[in-house]
Amino acid sequence: EVQLVESGGGLVKPGGSLRLSCAASGFTFSTYSMNWVRQAPGKGLEWVSSISSSSTYIYYADSMKGRFTISRDNAKNSLYLQMNSLRAEDTAVYYCARGDYDVLTGLMGYWGQGTLVTVSS
Amino acid sequence: DIQMTQSPSTLSASVGDRVTITCRASQSISSWLAWYQQKPGKAPKLLIYKASSLESGVPSRFSGSGSGTEFTLTISSLQPDDFATYYCQLYNSYLFTFGPGTKVDIK
Repeated sequence: EVQLVESGGGLVKPGGSLRLSCAASGFTFSTYSMNWVRQAPGKGLEWVSSISSSSTYIYYADSMKGRFTISRDNAKNSLYLQMNSLRAEDTAVYYCARGDYDVLTGLMGYWGQGTLVTVSS
Repeated sequence: DIQMTQSPSTLSASVGDRVTITCRASQSISSWLAWYQQKPGKAPKLLIYKASSLESGVPSRFSGSGSGTEFTLTISSLQPDDFATYYCQLYNSYLFTFGPGTKVDIK
């Protein structure tokens, strides 16, 4: 069974940093692209970033470029999102989602339950 | 950048109704369109990919159609489990934009 478990969320002050993690199990992690998607309270889904299976290709939404860094450790079956210079508008539930096998298309077939990031003083 | 819009933003319907949600792209995206369902407090679930392909395990009352700039998600006979918010998503580009969502609630 595919499982994605996010962690690392919490309360952080504006301008601060946070690193989210996503632990994957139930599939061969190293062969799938991975994604981060966020959802502000009461709002819609917003794509954040995606990474190919071998980290060759990395994409970011424009509003996250330069502040967020996606990475993965295939030996640890883990996906990460380093978030710097956080703003109040970054407050959201952050979801980890599995992408396609061997290619990075942005299609998201499995999702974790999300971790809440709150940016507030 | 390609923008995605959905209509309506909210739809009130009854069990058994046929429901259609429209998604439009600001320029042609071929068939690179997915649909997701999200219930309150839950993660989204993939329903349809490549505009009209049904994800494994998704009931056949869900169907998708369209290509280019206009797409539809149809629920042939609305069931109690289908009251949720539905999002379209552009994929297979380098920006994986979601539409703003359509909430289907009980009339």
